[in-house]
Amino acid sequence: DTGVSQDPRHKITKRGQNVTFRCDPISEHNRLYWYRQTLGQGPEFLTYFQNEAQLEKSRLLSDRFSAERPKGSFSTLEIQRTEQGDSAMYLCASSSGGSYNEQFFGPGTRLTVL
Amino acid sequence: AQSVSQHNHHVILSEAASLELGCNYSYGGTVNLFWYVQYPGQHLQLLLKYFSGDPLVKGIKGFEAEFIKSKFSFNLRKPSVQWSDTAEYFCAVRSQAGTALIFGKGTTLSVSS
Repeated sequence: DTGVSQDPRHKITKRGQNVTFRCDPISEHNRLYWYRQTLGQGPEFLTYFQNEAQLEKSRLLSDRFSAERPKGSFSTLEIQRTEQGDSAMYLCASSSGGSYNEQFFGPGTRLTVL
Repeated sequence: AQSVSQHNHHVILSEAASLELGCNYSYGGTVNLFWYVQYPGQHLQLLLKYFSGDPLVKGIKGFEAEFIKSKFSFNLRKPSVQWSDTAEYFCAVRSQAGTALIFGKGTTLSVSS
């Protein structure tokens, strides 16, 4: 399968713990996006990378959240000191450069904070 | 700020019925518009998109959408739904200069056979 992959698919953690998610984009895509989706809502944008540069961050991305894309390939999203309100599906998407390109989504990581 | 409204939260249809899902957006400038679909247990995938040109766009699986600029709308249609169209449908907008997609809350479509 050459689509976007995410790991893990499910994560259960206790409040206050740190968690890290990984996203592997489609190999030739230089743009990578993170979104968060809570129950009954559409995906909400968190952050965007072009190659290794993080170019845009949403106000939803509090100080407890950090994302990296060190070599312009895979990306990680870390949440420190998790809170119950962080429980959500975390989606990764990638696209090639240019204004007319579709974002391809991964299967998501479902986070449950107890 | 941009926003997207999807008027129907849950739509229930019988097979062969016609479908129209409403989507309105708020943004004064030039936008790109999208409909994504999420079948049960699957990833979000693109149904169709509008960037410019003919306001009636055709997508996969017999879906189409019409961009009406004066109404800030991009409604999704299908003349005859099938049981396999049961899914959640999301409308999304992106400003022409932007990168992030702004999604509506989604519409769940249930089709009975």
